[in-house]
Amino acid sequence: RKEVEQDPGPFNVPEGATVAFNCTYSNSASQSFFWYRQDCRKEPKLLMSVYSSGNEDGRFTAQLNRASQYISLLIRDSKLSDSATYLCVVNPYSGAGSYQLTFGKGTKLSVIP
Amino acid sequence: DVKVTQSSRYLVKRTGEKVFLECVQDMDHENMFWYRQDPGLGLRLIYFSYDVKMKEKGDIPEGYSVSREKKERFSLILESASTNQTSMYLCASREDGTSGNTIYFGEGSWLTVV
Repeated sequence: RKEVEQDPGPFNVPEGATVAFNCTYSNSASQSFFWYRQDCRKEPKLLMSVYSSGNEDGRFTAQLNRASQYISLLIRDSKLSDSATYLCVVNPYSGAGSYQLTFGKGTKLSVIP
Repeated sequence: DVKVTQSSRYLVKRTGEKVFLECVQDMDHENMFWYRQDPGLGLRLIYFSYDVKMKEKGDIPEGYSVSREKKERFSLILESASTNQTSMYLCASREDGTSGNTIYFGEGSWLTVV
């Protein structure tokens, strides 16, 4: 099983739609989780961290399910500007020696007028 | 705001040339990373450094070396460039390994080896 798996998409949705992405991770000891957004030919940028109780930032909601080892990202009222690739990122270790993060390959979203 | 700067954005090099990619971060971060990103393969870690003069191999170190002489600067070196090293290279930094600390990327260096 791959460490972090995402559906590559593409997800083609109309403006105003609600879309959800899931990401599964294999290491049950994983400590922290993030969603990054990457525009075409640009660097990944932090969209939001994912907290155990779930968290919301405007139209974006992130949730964590430790029992099933997945995180999700929900985008409501999609905008054309939401078109991007969304990367799931997991910190698989704990403590000060945990240097590396594990990245999913990303899910591509295209919002259509 | 955290700033990670990759000085060379677009390079075209010939096979066999030595290539230097420079990266500087301005937030006194402990950890620095070099990734490459290719279509369908996602981000792959080449090398990382958790302190000055310290380095660790990532998943694909072959054909690359790194240098970290100062905390803010992390260089990626291709000793003899080959066409299969044509890619987008991303430098990143992170405060330390504490859970919850996020990673910040530079804008990327697009390298074409001909």
